[in-house]
Amino acid sequence: GENVEQHPSTLSVQEGDSAVIKCTYSDSASNYFPWYKQELGKRPQLIIDIRSNVGEKKDQRIAVTLNKTAKHFSLHITETQPEDSAVYFCAASRDYGQNFVFGPGTRLSVLP
Amino acid sequence: DTAVSQTPKYLVTQMGNDKSIKCEQNLGHDTMYWYKQDSKKFLKIMFSYNNKELIINETVPNRFSPKSPDKAHLNLHINSLELGDSAVYFCASSHMDRGQMGTGELFFGEGSRLTVL
Repeated sequence: GENVEQHPSTLSVQEGDSAVIKCTYSDSASNYFPWYKQELGKRPQLIIDIRSNVGEKKDQRIAVTLNKTAKHFSLHITETQPEDSAVYFCAASRDYGQNFVFGPGTRLSVLP
Repeated sequence: DTAVSQTPKYLVTQMGNDKSIKCEQNLGHDTMYWYKQDSKKFLKIMFSYNNKELIINETVPNRFSPKSPDKAHLNLHINSLELGDSAVYFCASSHMDRGQMGTGELFFGEGSRLTVL
C-alpha cells in the first residue's frame, strides 16, 4: 500500500521568511497530492493540491511542486505570517481522490 | 450550513462502555470516511464508504463498526471502549471522481474528541 513520509516534523521560521515542507510517496499509481492545514483544535482544511499531470501550482503565497520520477512533492510558503502557524499534512491518493494516505504532519511555527 | 457535521463534539466515558459518533454531510458527496487522529496528530484512515458500500476497512479492531444508512450519513459505533481508543475522530466526505474533472478534496467535520477513562 501507499506510504507517505514527511519532513521536517517541526519547523520554526521568522515572520517574513519562507518555509518548505517535503513529502515522498511510494505508490507510483498515486496521482493526486493535496496539502491540508490544521490549526489548533480545528479540522484539517485543504490549502492547495496538485495532480500528476502538473509539475507546479501556485496560489498567492503558497506553491506546490511535484517530481513524479523521484516520487516527491513539496509545499512552499513565502512571506510567512503568524497565522500560517499550524500543522500541515501532505497526502497522496489514487484516482484523483480515493483512499487518501496522509503524511505524519509538520508543525510550523512562525515567530514574530 | 455546516457541510460535514458530526456529533457529539466531546465524549468522555469509562472503559468497557459502548458509544456512537454520528456524521452527516450535505454536500451531495458519494464517499464518506472515518479518520482517527491520535495524540501525535497522525491522521489514520479507518473506514471508507462509497454509495453506502464499504470500500476501505483498514486494520481496525472489530469493536469498531461503521454503519451507513444512506449516502449522506456514516456513523461509528465502538464497543467495549479501551484507553487506547482515546483520540479525535474525524468524519470526512469527498466525491469519487475517476475522471480528469472536478476535485478529490476531502471535507472534514469538526472532529469528535473521545476520552476513555
